[in-house]
Amino acid sequence: QKEVEQNSGPLSVPEGAIASLNCTYSDRGSQSFFWYRQYSGKSPELIMSIYSNGDKEDGRFTAQLNKASQYVSLLIRDSQPSDSATYLCAVNRISGYALNFGKGTSLLVTP
Amino acid sequence: EADIYQTPRYLVIGTGKKITLECSQTMGHDKMYWYQQDPGMELHLIHYSYGVNSTEKGDLSSESTVSRIRTEHFPLTLESARPSHTSQYLCASSEWKAANYGYTFGSGTRLTVV
Repeated sequence: QKEVEQNSGPLSVPEGAIASLNCTYSDRGSQSFFWYRQYSGKSPELIMSIYSNGDKEDGRFTAQLNKASQYVSLLIRDSQPSDSATYLCAVNRISGYALNFGKGTSLLVTP
Repeated sequence: EADIYQTPRYLVIGTGKKITLECSQTMGHDKMYWYQQDPGMELHLIHYSYGVNSTEKGDLSSESTVSRIRTEHFPLTLESARPSHTSQYLCASSEWKAANYGYTFGSGTRLTVV
């Protein structure tokens, strides 16, 4: 079982809709969870971090964490074509600060 | 502006050559990391460091080495390049603060071994 699993997509949503991206992780002791956005040919950039169960909102982005279900999600409201990218879920390794990454979900927002 | 720099951006090199990929950051972060990323695949941890003179192996470390003599500098060396090393190499740094634990990534080095 991979440490971090994501549906590779592509997930296609119309402009203005809500995009919902999901991630599951295997290590029950993980404490820190992150979402990164990666445009084609570019490096990942951090968009959200979440450490506690529940929701965390930042602008159009909402991260949701459910440690009991080992599930993390990212909601993007009012999706824009500029949101089209691959979204990587990352979870801290139990042994320290390094992160395990999922393969990413490709999001396509169509005008 | 605080940032993290990787050089070279692109490198094509012959099999058997020794290469060093450079990574420097100006943010004073104590933690630095090297990852390898192939298209459509996860980032795989190669090496990491939690401070000067501290280095640890990741999952793909057997054919490379790193050093951390200065806080800002974390070079990755491949002693003998092979075609299987062809990939994108990403350097990242972080510091432990409750509100700012995420990585900052460099622009990456795309390595092709022929």
